[in-house]
Amino acid sequence: DSGVTQTPKHLITATGQRVTLRCSPRSGDLSVYWYQQSLDQGLQFLIQYYNGEERAKGNILERFSAQQFPDLHSELNLSSLELGDSALYFCASTPLGDRTEAFFGQGTRLTVV
Amino acid sequence: SQQGEEDPQALSIQEGENATMNCSYKTSINNLQWYRQNSGRGLVHLILIRSNEREKHSGRLRVTLDTSKKSSSLLITASRAADTASYFCARRAGSYQLTFGKGTKLSVIP
Repeated sequence: DSGVTQTPKHLITATGQRVTLRCSPRSGDLSVYWYQQSLDQGLQFLIQYYNGEERAKGNILERFSAQQFPDLHSELNLSSLELGDSALYFCASTPLGDRTEAFFGQGTRLTVV
Repeated sequence: SQQGEEDPQALSIQEGENATMNCSYKTSINNLQWYRQNSGRGLVHLILIRSNEREKHSGRLRVTLDTSKKSSSLLITASRAADTASYFCARRAGSYQLTFGKGTKLSVIP
């Protein structure tokens, strides 16, 4: 158990809908990262937050947004969903020092139908 | 293209053999990390090697880093069926973004 919790584990929704994925980082970790993994693909970095502030942005679509709350949990909001958004979405957290290893949650598998 | 590209994309070996995976990157790094992913599950950190280190060991794992060639390799010795997974290298870009490649899918045949 990595200590990172993601909910829900599975999500099936229709095109055009909006969903929210939730991530609780390890206790004390200030950094949260979001990644998207499509079938047989690597991990695409979406966005990183550090102690409530956006720190780095990757290939995140304008239809997607995220935030980190004062209790350090993070949410990834995906709107106007398309079939191509079907993927595994992972959250990871790192301790205070960004140069250390990342701890991953088990992911949310999103299926858009 | 993504930073941290693994090679080969897929590798199939017999149990007991060694498995070697390579990773190349394009820009300078603070450290390079290797992760393992069992099918459809979260990634698990295996080993971290800093830019001033050349080799690191952890159990049956051996990682090397050549910053002049911008490459790293992961060696798994005496492989087991349980080692079957995808292996990713990740580069720390500056102090923030952790960037992954597409991974090497390793199959260890009992």
